[in-house]
Amino acid sequence: NAGVMQNPRHLVRRRGQEARLRCSPMKGHSHVYWYRQLPEEGLKFMVYLQKENIIDESGMPKERFSAEFPKEGPSILRIQQVVRGDSAAYFCASSPLGALTGELFFGEGSRLTVL
Amino acid sequence: AQSVAQPEDQVNVAEGNPLTVKCTYSVSGNPYLFWYVQYPNRGLQFLLKYITGDNLVKGSYGFEAEFNKSQTSFHLKKPSALVSDSALYFCAVRDGSSNTGKLIFGQGTTLQVKP
Repeated sequence: NAGVMQNPRHLVRRRGQEARLRCSPMKGHSHVYWYRQLPEEGLKFMVYLQKENIIDESGMPKERFSAEFPKEGPSILRIQQVVRGDSAAYFCASSPLGALTGELFFGEGSRLTVL
Repeated sequence: AQSVAQPEDQVNVAEGNPLTVKCTYSVSGNPYLFWYVQYPNRGLQFLLKYITGDNLVKGSYGFEAEFNKSQTSFHLKKPSALVSDSALYFCAVRDGSSNTGKLIFGQGTTLQVKP
């Protein structure tokens, strides 16, 4: 049973370009969470999605960032017009029910570097 | 609002000695508590969780944690540290009254086990 798959593992973008990060949850999981880890910092919640629905986006920056989890295909975290401050590791996690008691299963992360 | 505090940025311990990594939390409802470990350039691996029941929970790799409601703490412990335990450890909490399932993470504590 494959775990949470994230790609690309590493992404380099120049300022002003767009970054697209993809996440395929574990088989049978329909709930996806995105977190950001800045250098020397902990994980900050960004957004929680179910299929075709954004449930909680309280951690998303108001501009340039968007997320989706379509009926078919992976969840996408999209960052438009990237700036150097967007350089971070972005982690996706999934759970089977958005379960209130269960742990989240994390992917290996996508490391974005903005030049 | 939910929050987690890990008061130590780094914990140093000699191999074979017991280790403790501290965590305190704040939630409005019943807490669901978790510990994760992160190795360099990797994702987060689940270690253990407290949902209800026995205050002492046992997890992976010989780790355990004790839930203390009066002190709002959930410290991670291991009787005998290994050099391979050296990593970044995160405590996380979910508010039992929340319907989103998201975890709120502490800043992380780097554990360094010296031979």
